[in-house]
Amino acid sequence: DQQVKQNSPSLSVQEGRISILNCDYTNSMFDYFLWYKKYPAEGPTFLISISSIKDKNEDGRFTVFLNKSAKHLSLHIVPSQPGDSAVYFCAASFTSGTYKYIFGTGTRLKVLA
Amino acid sequence: NAGVTQTPKFRVLKTGQSMTLLCAQDMNHEYMYWYRQDPGMGLRLIHYSVGEGTTAKGEVPDGYNVSRLKKQNFLLGLESAAPSQTSVYFCASSGRDTFYSGANVLTFGAGSRLTVL
Repeated sequence: DQQVKQNSPSLSVQEGRISILNCDYTNSMFDYFLWYKKYPAEGPTFLISISSIKDKNEDGRFTVFLNKSAKHLSLHIVPSQPGDSAVYFCAASFTSGTYKYIFGTGTRLKVLA
Repeated sequence: NAGVTQTPKFRVLKTGQSMTLLCAQDMNHEYMYWYRQDPGMGLRLIHYSVGEGTTAKGEVPDGYNVSRLKKQNFLLGLESAAPSQTSVYFCASSGRDTFYSGANVLTFGAGSRLTVL
C-alpha cells in the first residue's frame, strides 16, 4: 500500500504564477514531511520540510502547508521560475532513530517561460 | 567535498550476472540508504544502515544484499540479476547533525542506472 501519494504526475505553470504541488499520506504517525527536487540525471536535493506539529513552514519562494486532519500537505512556489522545472517528491518519516523516509511517486513540474 | 559518490554510473548486465554498486560518503554520516527509482513508483527503500556493521531491510529488499564494513561505504549487491531489477539506484546518507527544523535531511548521490537484459 502506498503510504505517501502524489496523485498528479505532472503540472504546467506559467512563469511568475503560483505552483501548487500536493501530497497525501495515510499514516498519522509520521513526524516529519520533506520535499525534494530532482533534475534529470541528478540525485534528489532537499528543498524544505515541516514538522507534524506545525501547519506552515516558509523558506523564500517555497512554502509548505500541512493539514493533519486531512492528511494532506502542499508545496507552494511563488513566483514560479523556469529553473523550478523538475520532479518534486514529498517524503514522510518516523523519528524512530532510523530516519527512514517513505517517498511519494513524484510530480513533474514544468514552468513555461 | 564530494558528498555522496556512486560507482558505476551506468551498467548493463545479463540475466543471472552479479554485480556490486558502491556508495561512498565523505561527510562522516552515520546513516546510509539505498533507494531505487522506477517510473510511476517514486523512490523505494531497498536497504539501509544506521551505523558501521549494521544493515536492515527496507520496503523492497528481495534480490539484494548490502554490507557496511566501513562507515563511509555502503555496498549494494545483486547476486543474480533479473530484468525486474532494471532501475536507477540512488544512495543517500544522513547524520546526527543533518537536521533542518528538526527533520533529518538526506543527501543523495547522482544515481547509478542499471539495465538487466
